[in-house]
Order: sequence, then C-alpha cells, then structure tokens
Amino acid sequence: TQLLEQSPQFLSIQEGENLTVYCNSSSVFSSLQWYRQEPGEGPVLLVTVVTGGEVKKLKRLTFQFGDARKDSSLHITAAQPGDTGLYLCAGVNNNDMRFGAGTRLTVKP
Amino acid sequence: KAGVTQTPRYLIKTRGQQVTLSCSPISGHRSVSWYQQTPGQGLQFLFEYFSETQRNKGNFPGRFSGRQFSNSRSEMNVSTLELGDSALYLCASSPEMDTQYFGPGTRLTVL
Repeated sequence: TQLLEQSPQFLSIQEGENLTVYCNSSSVFSSLQWYRQEPGEGPVLLVTVVTGGEVKKLKRLTFQFGDARKDSSLHITAAQPGDTGLYLCAGVNNNDMRFGAGTRLTVKP
Repeated sequence: KAGVTQTPRYLIKTRGQQVTLSCSPISGHRSVSWYQQTPGQGLQFLFEYFSETQRNKGNFPGRFSGRQFSNSRSEMNVSTLELGDSALYLCASSPEMDTQYFGPGTRLTVL
C-alpha cells in the first residue's frame, strides 16, 4: 500500500486541454513536493509546498497543498506535448521522504 | 555544479549474482538516498545515508545494502539477485533530506 496515492495513474489528452492530477494521503506532511520525470532520466523537482492551503504557480502549472497538509493537486492549463512525463508527488516529514507511484501524462499534438 | 552521476548506466546480471552500483552526489551534499523504480511499484525508498551513517531505511530485504564514504560518494549492493530486482535504481543527493536532486539512474536487468 502506497503512503501517497496518486490519481489518475494514466492520463492521455490532446494538446490545449486542461487537466488536474491528485496526490492523497491519510498522513500529514510538513511539506510536499512535485517532480516530473522524463524517459531515461531521473525526476526533477517542480515545486515544494509547505503551508496548508498554499497555492503556487509555475507558468501553466498550478500546485495546491490541502488545508490539512494531507493532499495536493497539480493543474495544468493548455497542456503541451512537452508536458508529457511521469508526475510524482513526495511527502516529507522529519528527514523522511516518500513518493507516490506517479501519474503518467501523455499530451498528444 | 556538476549533477548527480551514477555508474554504470546499464547492467545485465543473472540470478544469484551480486551487483554494486555507484553514485557521486552534487558537491557539498551530504545526504544520499537510493530508490528502486519499477512500473508496478513506482518509486520505492531503499535507504538514505547522511555523513556516512544510514539515517533512514525502507522496507527492503537485507540483500539490499549500502554505504557512504567520507567524500559523500555512495554505493549500493544487491546480493543473490532475483528476477524481481530488475528495475531502475535512482540515487538522489540533497544538502539535507529535503529537495532531492536525482541522477539518471542505473537500469539493472536480471536474467
């Protein structure tokens, strides 16, 4: 059983569409991070959220941390083929970091 | 700064053999973590070393071990390889256990 559940597991959309992926847990985290991994490479950090209710924007990507610091969402506006990849969330507590299984996103031109 | 480097990038072994993977962290980073990534299980935490001491450990059998040297370089060893050990093994370094900077991984195939 994953400590962090990510949904959906797979998502395939057309260029220009909007999407939201989710990261849920029954545990409270001091911070939560989102990473993107492309084939043949390691994950790369996109953002860290720390405060419950926090919203961070990174160009077309909007990240939200739940009020209770147990869950998070990633919303992408007007998706592009370059957004294709595996999106991973990671919860951090006391020098311990655990990852979800990820959402594999494919954006078709 | 140079990124995290892992060697080798690809490795093929047979069941019962043992393997050692190497990771060189970003200069100045004292924390090195190892992860196993498979399509079915996702990214699973193996262990974390900080200043040559194992600080955290995931739920993997004792066949999986690691160590960290005084220059922060780390090695991971898997003994008595099983088919299910085939995976991408990722190393990540960090100043503390916060933002993880990942290497490209070692793709291990066990035949």
